[in-house]
Amino acid sequence: DTAVSQTPKYLVTQMGNDKSIKCEQNLGHDTMYWYKQDSKKFLKIMFSYNNKELIINETVPNRFSPKSPDKAHLNLHINSLELGDSAVYFCASTSSAALEQFFGPGTRLTVL
Amino acid sequence: GNSVTQMEGPVTLSEEAFLTINCTYTATGYPSLFWYVQYPGEGLQLLLKATKADDKGSNKGFEATYRKETTSFHLEKGSVQVSDSAVYFCALRGDDKIIFGKGTRLHILP
Repeated sequence: DTAVSQTPKYLVTQMGNDKSIKCEQNLGHDTMYWYKQDSKKFLKIMFSYNNKELIINETVPNRFSPKSPDKAHLNLHINSLELGDSAVYFCASTSSAALEQFFGPGTRLTVL
Repeated sequence: GNSVTQMEGPVTLSEEAFLTINCTYTATGYPSLFWYVQYPGEGLQLLLKATKADDKGSNKGFEATYRKETTSFHLEKGSVQVSDSAVYFCALRGDDKIIFGKGTRLHILP
C-alpha cells in the first residue's frame, strides 16, 4: 500500500540513450511533481502537474518531457541522456488540503 | 520571490547532545513551514510542520516554532540518537509550490 511509488529504483544507461521513469500515487492527490537531487543533496523542482495539466516547468532542457496520463500517474521521459543527468529523481504529490508533499523513494539514474 | 536559507552542514554531534539546525525564510504573505527528513537511500518524509505564526510543530522529539518576527523556523531536539543521522530540509509553501532549503546533513556519533 505504498503511497507514492516509482520505477525503476535504479537505472544505469549509456550516454545518448532514451529512458523513462514512472511514478504512481494512490493518495487521491491532484498535483504531482518531479524533482532532481544532485550529489550534494540539493533538490531542484523540474515539473508540476495539476489534474493532468502542466503548471510548473522550471528551466529544464527540453530533452526532459513529462507525461501525465491521469491524475495518479506522472512519468518522466529523457531523450539523449548526458553525463550531467546522473542524479536521483524524486516524484512527489500533494493536494490543496494536504499542504505537505509526499515523496516517492527515488530513482537513481547513472549515465555512463 | 520566496526563499529558504538553512545552515550548511555537515553537523556532527555525539549521541544525547542538543541539536539546533537554523532555518530562516523570505516570503510574501503567510506561508506554511515544514521540516522534512531524508534517511540514507530513501525519499524525503515530513518530520513536522507549522501553518501560522507562533505554531509549534513537533514529532519524534523534534520541535520547531514558527517565528514571524524573526522569519525563522529552527529545528531542535534535546537529545539526539544515532538513528537521527540523516539530511534535514527546511521548506515553505507559498501559493503553488514548496521551496526547499539546501539541506543539512546530520551525523550522530555513538
